[in-house]
Amino acid sequence: GAVVSQHPSRVICKSGTSVKIECRSLDFQATTMFWYRQFPKKSLMLMATSNEGSKATYEQGVEKDKFLINHASLTLSTLTVTSAHPEDSSFYICSARDPAGGFETQYFGPGTRLLVL
Amino acid sequence: AQSVTQPDIHITVSEGASLELRCNYSYGATPYLFWYVQSPGQGLQLLLKYFSGDTLVQGIKGFEAEFKRSQSSFNLRKPSVHWSDAAEYFCAVGLMDSSYKLIFGSGTRLLVRP
Repeated sequence: GAVVSQHPSRVICKSGTSVKIECRSLDFQATTMFWYRQFPKKSLMLMATSNEGSKATYEQGVEKDKFLINHASLTLSTLTVTSAHPEDSSFYICSARDPAGGFETQYFGPGTRLLVL
Repeated sequence: AQSVTQPDIHITVSEGASLELRCNYSYGATPYLFWYVQSPGQGLQLLLKYFSGDTLVQGIKGFEAEFKRSQSSFNLRKPSVHWSDAAEYFCAVGLMDSSYKLIFGSGTRLLVRP
């Protein structure tokens, strides 16, 4: 299947700093990417839908000024956690959808573990 | 509102034994249903999906799932579990608009006894 990568795989940062997480689709062009947050023993919570060349659509309750999403190219979306606090510590997962298909062509990255001290 | 419930947080089975992971959904129409597996260091992998038609769907790695509308369920089964099946399993509903959004359950961790 198609490959989606995330970088970094894990990051530790100090409270108050900003962290950028990259999501890349390696062998297809993704007009749509999704960002999820996964808490321990909890489901993946959709944070936002990232559309290439336009503003991201955020889910209810997600602070768009805190979680900045940029989808500047068809193979790259970035999530920046601004002024990170310990409660932002979590596992962040992206997925990219190959527009040639439907739901089954949504491919997931391996995730990024963020720890804010 | 759409939701997915996976009532079992953990399940432990012996290698070679059969497996059933439960999933119940809440949705206003016939849903698109999925099962994904999450292994450490790897992205979620699609095991199988149900859109319409035959309510028993076959997936990869020997998994199957049955859609039961009357019970709002989509349970995942495997007749003989292998040690490599140990992972986290997620059931999901796909929204039937143009967004392609997925609503996930909380997951079931499968442990396999040798």
